[in-house]
Amino acid sequence: DQQVKQNSPSLSVQEGRISILNCDYTNSMFDYFLWYKKYPAEGPTFLISISSIKDKNEDGRFTVFLNKSAKHLSLHIVPSQPGDSAVYFCAASAPYGGSQGNLIFGKGTKLSVKP
Amino acid sequence: SQTIHQWPATLVQPVGSPLSLECTVEGTSNPNLYWYRQAAGRGLQLLFYSVGIGQISSEVPQNLSASRPQDRQFILSSKKLLLSDSGFYLCAWSVGDRGRETQYFGPGTRLLVL
Repeated sequence: DQQVKQNSPSLSVQEGRISILNCDYTNSMFDYFLWYKKYPAEGPTFLISISSIKDKNEDGRFTVFLNKSAKHLSLHIVPSQPGDSAVYFCAASAPYGGSQGNLIFGKGTKLSVKP
Repeated sequence: SQTIHQWPATLVQPVGSPLSLECTVEGTSNPNLYWYRQAAGRGLQLLFYSVGIGQISSEVPQNLSASRPQDRQFILSSKKLLLSDSGFYLCAWSVGDRGRETQYFGPGTRLLVL
């Protein structure tokens, strides 16, 4: 059973526009959420995180929104740049419960930013 | 600053051969260490984690094993590789309480089993 879902395998956006990447989760024990960016043949790079006590966290062009009632989070990239083209992974964890502190990853969304 | 190294970067091995992948972390003490695998077109699957020397937890039953002989060294091994072991292997580290910490990944090892 997939606890973290990224339902869009790919997303194409024009340079300068907003990219919105979505992620849904099912485990109500998750209270820490992260986004990673991954280029081919490289390890994932940490982008931004948010804990469940917040509903928004911003870092430069990247903003993560958390809607706990809907069990949904999103990553907004504004403005999008061609260098943002990569696979984006959503991840979640809980300090206790079935996942026992492990990071649970979604399957990723491939973002393509067109010049 | 902290850095994480993995080697080799790429490995091609025949079915039935042994495997040893190494991961080392610099610039931190007593990190939590992780091994993940990313199979083609799939997400990241946690294989093993370690919260200290000699302490290994396995998440997925398989023919792989892990060891942590030193504080900042994590090794992934197999006695006999299977075709299904092909994939991209990632090591990661973190500090702090598990479940509320950020994990940082190494560059990965691409393994192809033929």
